[in-house]
Amino acid sequence: AQTVTQSQPEMSVQEAETVTLSCTYDTSESDYYLFWYKQPPSRQMILVIRQEAYKQQNATENRFSVNFQKAAKSFSLKISDSQLGDAAMYFCAYTYNNNDMRFGAGTRLTVKP
Amino acid sequence: DVKVTQSSRYLVKRTGEKVFLECVQDMDHENMFWYRQDPGLGLRLIYFSYDVKMKEKGDIPEGYSVSREKKERFSLILESASTNQTSMYLCASSFGPERYEQYFGPGTRLTVT
Repeated sequence: AQTVTQSQPEMSVQEAETVTLSCTYDTSESDYYLFWYKQPPSRQMILVIRQEAYKQQNATENRFSVNFQKAAKSFSLKISDSQLGDAAMYFCAYTYNNNDMRFGAGTRLTVKP
Repeated sequence: DVKVTQSSRYLVKRTGEKVFLECVQDMDHENMFWYRQDPGLGLRLIYFSYDVKMKEKGDIPEGYSVSREKKERFSLILESASTNQTSMYLCASSFGPERYEQYFGPGTRLTVT
């Protein structure tokens, strides 16, 4: 069974600094998709970034980038120039088909002013 | 923008009551999902639907049922609510083949007393 592990229940970062959230996953599939979702306090979960396993290039979205290491089954999220609005729960997710997305337990990120 | 709405943000029910949670999406998505979110456990799939009147069990279907009579609407039913079903319930939808990212509703925080 596919599993997703986020080993950091909580992280904190100073405003304007950089933080990296870790995620590892277990799979026997070769083609799959990885995601980072953000859930601000009392607000809707939104997609931050996605990565297709067949792409070697790491995905980037403005201040958010990933370090995808397929052989190591690692998918970390780097947030640069952290802002107060980045404070949220971050979930790493994996899927190889339409119907079975697996989520990690989440990392709560605090941003200190 | 994709919009997924849920009928209630907060709900308080008594043990043994029948509870209906409704979810509506406005982007003609094929797939719809119901998750349960608990601290430290991430999101766990209860049921999903890949077409009208079609449904598949997820990881924790016990005590729940679902209904999808129209493409845009997916309902979660707790036949006889119990205190261990107190949780945050998230609805999500996705396009279908090759578009795996899911879009989430705001969630319903259900308390069963």
